[in-house]
Amino acid sequence: RKEVEQDPGPFNVPEGATVAFNCTYSNSASQSFFWYRQDCRKEPKLLMSVYSSGNEDGRFTAQLNRASQYISLLIRDSKLSDSATYLCVVTSTNTGNQFYFGTGTSLTVIP
Amino acid sequence: GAVVSQHPSRVICKSGTSVKIECRSLDFQATTMFWYRQFPKKSLMLMATSNEGSKATYEQGVEKDKFLINHASLTLSTLTVTSAHPEDSSFYICSARGTGGINEQFFGPGTRLTVL
Repeated sequence: RKEVEQDPGPFNVPEGATVAFNCTYSNSASQSFFWYRQDCRKEPKLLMSVYSSGNEDGRFTAQLNRASQYISLLIRDSKLSDSATYLCVVTSTNTGNQFYFGTGTSLTVIP
Repeated sequence: GAVVSQHPSRVICKSGTSVKIECRSLDFQATTMFWYRQFPKKSLMLMATSNEGSKATYEQGVEKDKFLINHASLTLSTLTVTSAHPEDSSFYICSARGTGGINEQFFGPGTRLTVL
């Protein structure tokens, strides 16, 4: 079983739409969670960390459900510039804090 | 955030040659750097963890004699792909662990290697 699993998509949504991505992880001892954004042929860039209480940054909301072992990312009022691949990352001290990446979810926002 | 550079950004080489990729932390010291490989439409896969002044730790299935890693200083780690073959063609990305904590990684812009 993969450490981190994501629906690869693609998600094609119109401008202004709300879109949500989910990611599940297999290691129940995982402690830190992140969403990264990766544009085509570029390096991943941190979008936001995911906290147990959930957190929001502008149009982006991240949530963690430890019982079900999944994290989510909600994007409201989608912009064309949101088009990218969104990577879920999970780390745990019992695996040396190694970053485990999901395969990414592709989002295209259509005018 | 901290800046990590990689050089070269793109390289095309003939099969059998060796290619060296440099990863530098520009404005901070990085005792630990990581090397990842990403195939098209696939996730980043950790190849090895590079620690300054000591041998790198390789992930299972990664040949240490083929992918030579040298972390000679607190700001530089190099990955050498020896005797490259077409199946080594990939996007290689390094990252450096920041000083803010063990969960902080800053990624370089990546190196696209094409082996003919």
